[in-house]
Amino acid sequence: DTGVSQNPRHKITKRGQNVTFRCDPISEHNRLYWYRQTLGQGPEFLTYFQNEAQLEKSRLLSDRFSAERPKGSFSTLEIQRTEQGDSAMYLCASSGRLNTGELFFGEGSRLTVL
Amino acid sequence: GENVEQHPSTLSVQEGDSAVIKCTYSDSASNYFPWYKQELGKRPQLIIDIRSNVGEKKDQRIAVTLNKTAKHFSLHITETQPEDSAVYFCAPQVGGYGNKLVFGAGTILRVKS
Repeated sequence: DTGVSQNPRHKITKRGQNVTFRCDPISEHNRLYWYRQTLGQGPEFLTYFQNEAQLEKSRLLSDRFSAERPKGSFSTLEIQRTEQGDSAMYLCASSGRLNTGELFFGEGSRLTVL
Repeated sequence: GENVEQHPSTLSVQEGDSAVIKCTYSDSASNYFPWYKQELGKRPQLIIDIRSNVGEKKDQRIAVTLNKTAKHFSLHITETQPEDSAVYFCAPQVGGYGNKLVFGAGTILRVKS
């Protein structure tokens, strides 16, 4: 399968702990996006990269969230000092060099903060 | 601005009927207008999209129409089938070419057989 891959698929953690999610985009895609989705809502934009450059970060995103894409391939999203409100599905998506606009989503990483 | 609104929030139709979902947006720089379908427990997937240089696009039973002056675009599904039951999101691109998609809150479509 050469689609977008996310790990782990599920993460349960206690409040105050740090968590990290990884996203491997489709190999030839240069743009990578992170979204967050809660039950009954649409995906909410968090941040996106073109190659290794982080071009935009949502102003709704607190300083506890950080994302990296060090070599322009895979990306990590870290949440420090997790809070119960961080519980959500974290979706990664990538788009290709042709810039058709279509986002290809991964299966997501579900975070539960107890 | 990045306001995106979808109507209705839920829609129930009888199998074989048509369904229409409308999306309004606020960013006048938007020029790419996709619709995504998300089945329960699955990832969102693109079903149709349109760019601002055309007013309508069709793909078999689905179509999208765009009114850029009024800042809205609509998804049309004809001859609905039970497998069309899902959540549909509009996601206009914000900030011009190559920038992020801003998703609406979604429309739950139920097709009753």
